[in-house]
Amino acid sequence: ETGVTQSPTHLIKTRGQQVTLRCSSQSGHNTVSWYQQALGQGPQFIFQYYREEENGRGNFPPRFSGLQFPNYSSELNVNALELDDSALYLCASSPQTGSYEQYFGPGTRLTVT
Amino acid sequence: ELKVEQNPLFLSMQEGKNYTIYCNYSTTSDRLYWYRQDPGKSLESLFVLLSNGAVKQEGRLMASLDTKARLSTLHITAAVHDLSATYFCAVDLGRTASKLTFGTGTRLQVTL
Repeated sequence: ETGVTQSPTHLIKTRGQQVTLRCSSQSGHNTVSWYQQALGQGPQFIFQYYREEENGRGNFPPRFSGLQFPNYSSELNVNALELDDSALYLCASSPQTGSYEQYFGPGTRLTVT
Repeated sequence: ELKVEQNPLFLSMQEGKNYTIYCNYSTTSDRLYWYRQDPGKSLESLFVLLSNGAVKQEGRLMASLDTKARLSTLHITAAVHDLSATYFCAVDLGRTASKLTFGTGTRLQVTL
């Protein structure tokens, strides 16, 4: 059974650019959540996808958007990057069967200059 | 808006000592999680507490949940250097799947 994987590991972008981050969920998990963790802070919930539909969103602007594909993998897109978007982006998958366990991927470190 | 507060924010303790990290939250929930994070790494799940009075133990760590007091504790027994990390609690308000609100984190440093 493979765990949650994310790509790329590190990314450097310039302010104003757009970025796409990718996540492959753990086998059998149909729910994917994305979190942003700024340096020295706890992770903050961005949004969640369940069976290709957004299933809840945190306090993030519309320039943060996402997709979930039929194989349950997911993308996080951020437009018009700002310096404050520099963070570790974590993807977590969970089975929607009531266990409420979340399995986090290794994260993507995004630096905006 | 749910607020999750941890204290202390930083804890330096000697090997062999005991200590407790506290996690207070502002909205009723009966699902609480504890995670460990090493520098530059992702989150490692430690405990999932799913009901009032739940207590779980793994090695030198024990977590408990009091939903009436909206309080969870992570107790460290006879600390060792390998426990040095940042510890987060997270409260789950999701209905059908987890949507976590994390605490501020407690950075634990265990010294010889």
